[in-house]
Amino acid sequence: DAGVTQSPTHLIKTRGQHVTLRCSPISGHKSVSWYQQVLGQGPQFIFQYYEKEERGRGNFPDRFSARQFPNYSSELNVNALLLGDSALYLCASSLDTDTQYFGPGTRLTVL
Amino acid sequence: EDQVTQSPEALRLQEGESSSLNCSYTVSGLRGLFWYRQDPGKGPEFLFTLYSAGEEKEKERLKATLTKKESFLHITAPKPEDSATYLCAVDNNYGQNFVFGPGTRLSVLP
Repeated sequence: DAGVTQSPTHLIKTRGQHVTLRCSPISGHKSVSWYQQVLGQGPQFIFQYYEKEERGRGNFPDRFSARQFPNYSSELNVNALLLGDSALYLCASSLDTDTQYFGPGTRLTVL
Repeated sequence: EDQVTQSPEALRLQEGESSSLNCSYTVSGLRGLFWYRQDPGKGPEFLFTLYSAGEEKEKERLKATLTKKESFLHITAPKPEDSATYLCAVDNNYGQNFVFGPGTRLSVLP
């Protein structure tokens, strides 16, 4: 079975632009979570969705938004990009609120 | 506020030299403690889940243990391919999802 997939793998944007990152969970998993990982630090929680409803939100500004689709895939949107948004964005899926399995991540660079 | 700290920040071992990594946590209500391995530029790879104090889990050269305040990841006779960053995370009861520690960067020299 395929693991968690994310697209694109790399992305370069300029300040002020908008970006959309995509994630497909492991088949059968209904929960998707998003994390931001800055170089040298642990992942930081952004959002969790379960059955298309937002279940949790981390301490991120309103420029960050997400949604989950009926097939349980998910999108993370970031508006008005700042230099500090440059990071590895990770998506994780789980059956419910148990062990999370991570995708390979999307490396976002903001110039 | 829930917090996870890990020590040491970095660890360099010779091949075959056993050691332990520490994860200390402060959480309102622990639902689970998780260990992950992360290679540079890749997503974290799941290793173990521990739910209650006294629990132990093993996988190849790795063994994870849990107390009420900390968890240890013991590495026995490590090999160069064990070199990675090891991340610890806790899942609390308040919907804030996983709180990760900063990780321990392990290097195993041949």
